[in-house]
Amino acid sequence: QAVVTQEPSLTVSPGGTVTLTCGSSAGAVTNDHWPYWFQQKPGQAPWTLIHDATNKHSWTPARFSGSLLGGKAALTLSGAQPEDEAEYYCLLSFPGARRTWVFGGGTKLTVL
Amino acid sequence: EVQLVESGGGLVQPGGSLRLSCAASGFAFGSNLMTWVRQAPGKGLEWVANINPDGSDKYYADSVKGRFTISRDNANSFLSLQMNSLRDEDTALYYCLGGTYGQYWGQGTLVTVSS
Repeated sequence: QAVVTQEPSLTVSPGGTVTLTCGSSAGAVTNDHWPYWFQQKPGQAPWTLIHDATNKHSWTPARFSGSLLGGKAALTLSGAQPEDEAEYYCLLSFPGARRTWVFGGGTKLTVL
Repeated sequence: EVQLVESGGGLVQPGGSLRLSCAASGFAFGSNLMTWVRQAPGKGLEWVANINPDGSDKYYADSVKGRFTISRDNANSFLSLQMNSLRDEDTALYYCLGGTYGQYWGQGTLVTVSS
């Protein structure tokens, strides 16, 4: 089973820009992996920010964007707000006869 | 309003069984892939199982394969997870997840496996 890797922690200044990445031990991440990004704050259920690499939901703040970058999925936050401090998880789907999903270990984002 | 409400969690001894349920409303349950995800205390998210809209295809994480069974009742908009041969490491908050683009999460039900 592939391992999905994320930065364990990142720090961004209020108003600043930061990019979180999501890589796979099985090779380059592509649209076929249906990359998802989730945000989770302490004591709360996760909620879905991005699906299929780049697509936002209606509730996703405009300052978040998803992309594929250098063989990885990426989540970019432009204009960080204090309320963006949270854990961020990516999820990849691995194709094949036995399609499986794998979460990354999460990135703890601090806005400081 | 979309709702996913999990139930059935509790304290169980190692080797025991539990059946989790997820009651869905407010969206086209029968048209969507549904998923169970878990989160051990202080840990990250872990995918557990998926079931396709008509229930004909099911996929499991290696950690639960052969012990857990996912199922669904589209007539009543219910998702279930039968968990057998439970281990200490199955202790977690179990979430159901669904929607066309995996956008709907429940609040979770806590499973504690301990003697």
